[in-house]
Amino acid sequence: EAGVAQSPRYKIIEKRQSVAFWCNPISGHATLYWYQQILGQGPKLLIQFQNNGVVDDSQLPKDRFSAERLKGVDSTLKIQPAKLEDSAVYLCASSLDFLFRGVAAFFGQGTRLTVV
Amino acid sequence: DAKTTQPTSMDCAEGRAANLPCNHSTISGNEYVYWYRQIHSQGPQYIIHGLKNNETNEMASLIITEDRKSSTLILPHATLRDTAVYYCIVRFRAGNMLTFGGGTRLMVKP
Repeated sequence: EAGVAQSPRYKIIEKRQSVAFWCNPISGHATLYWYQQILGQGPKLLIQFQNNGVVDDSQLPKDRFSAERLKGVDSTLKIQPAKLEDSAVYLCASSLDFLFRGVAAFFGQGTRLTVV
Repeated sequence: DAKTTQPTSMDCAEGRAANLPCNHSTISGNEYVYWYRQIHSQGPQYIIHGLKNNETNEMASLIITEDRKSSTLILPHATLRDTAVYYCIVRFRAGNMLTFGGGTRLMVKP
């Protein structure tokens, strides 16, 4: 079974530039998550989708971050404009359904963003 | 909302069992306990999860106390490749996401 695919693996941009990350979840997984992991910390949830609808985006900095999952499969996360503090690894995860149904979430390898 | 407490770090000798404890005293009856690990520069890897009963898979065993206030992840024969940060997570009751804490840094030594 193919895992969660993310691209690119690495990205270096200057502050105030924009950047986009792509995620392809495991086939058939309805729930998709974007996490941000700053060096030395645990991952923090940014946004959660169920199919193509947003379930939770309470921790997404909406002034600069946006995400979409238009057809309920692939998803993109965008940052515009980027700040130095956005330097982090951006992780995508997916699960078959809501976690309260006792399923597990699986993570991709992440995209390491460096803002200079 | 359930919160977990784990030791910051642990050592284990290669070939021995690694027992990683986790306290989750405020867990609710319908909340699952999840374990993930993260090896440097990689995404978190799912290990195991459970609700009430003990669980075992090809990677590890999960022992949950009868009152569900604590659990232990057991790696039966630790190898150097098991060196990682191990996260014990209880599904965030108010939502549906996995909320990561600091985890336990396990160092497997030769």
